[in-house]
Amino acid sequence: EAQVTQNPRYLITVTGKKLTVTCSQNMNHEYMSWYRQDPGLGLRQIYYSMNVEVTDKGDVPEGYKVSRKEKRNFPLILESPSPNQTSLYFCASSLGTATEAFFGQGTRLTVV
Amino acid sequence: GENVEQHPSTLSVQEGDSAVIKCTYSDSASNYFPWYKQELGKRPQLIIDIRSNVGEKKDQRIAVTLNKTAKHFSLHITETQPEDSAVYFCAASPTGNQFYFGTGTSLTVIP
Repeated sequence: EAQVTQNPRYLITVTGKKLTVTCSQNMNHEYMSWYRQDPGLGLRQIYYSMNVEVTDKGDVPEGYKVSRKEKRNFPLILESPSPNQTSLYFCASSLGTATEAFFGQGTRLTVV
Repeated sequence: GENVEQHPSTLSVQEGDSAVIKCTYSDSASNYFPWYKQELGKRPQLIIDIRSNVGEKKDQRIAVTLNKTAKHFSLHITETQPEDSAVYFCAASPTGNQFYFGTGTSLTVIP
């Protein structure tokens, strides 16, 4: 089944403790992206990647890192999480630019 | 960067009526405009998209219109059904890689 898989689904952590949210797609998509969703703010793009080893900042990249060492994986790294990074995170992939994005099931992160 | 505004934030319609959601954008370079539907607790899913070289696109009960001059685009849902109840997001992309989303419209279809 074609899908985008994120892990974990839920995560509660403490301020400053490094964490990684994984994202994997099995559709051989070139393009992958991370978003955060907050009430009243919609979806905001954090980082995107057009291919292996090619990443670029989205609208709200501060406090996040990403890597794209393999085509299928695009992990999101929070090196020193803060409470303002408490949010619902979505990974998405698409065949190329300006094409349908397929979203993962979401990761609800709480930083206390 | 691009700024996308979406209205209304909430919309209630009777089953069978039409629903219209409007978005405006600021960057004239934007050329791809997708619409996503997000049911409660679920992931967003694309329902329709339009590119800047097209003024209107239809898919069964759903249509999107684009006015490049005025920098606005709209989602039209006809003959609404209870399963259309969800949050709808518009988005604009100037590069095909960067996406800017509206703040969402919560649509409730009353049976």
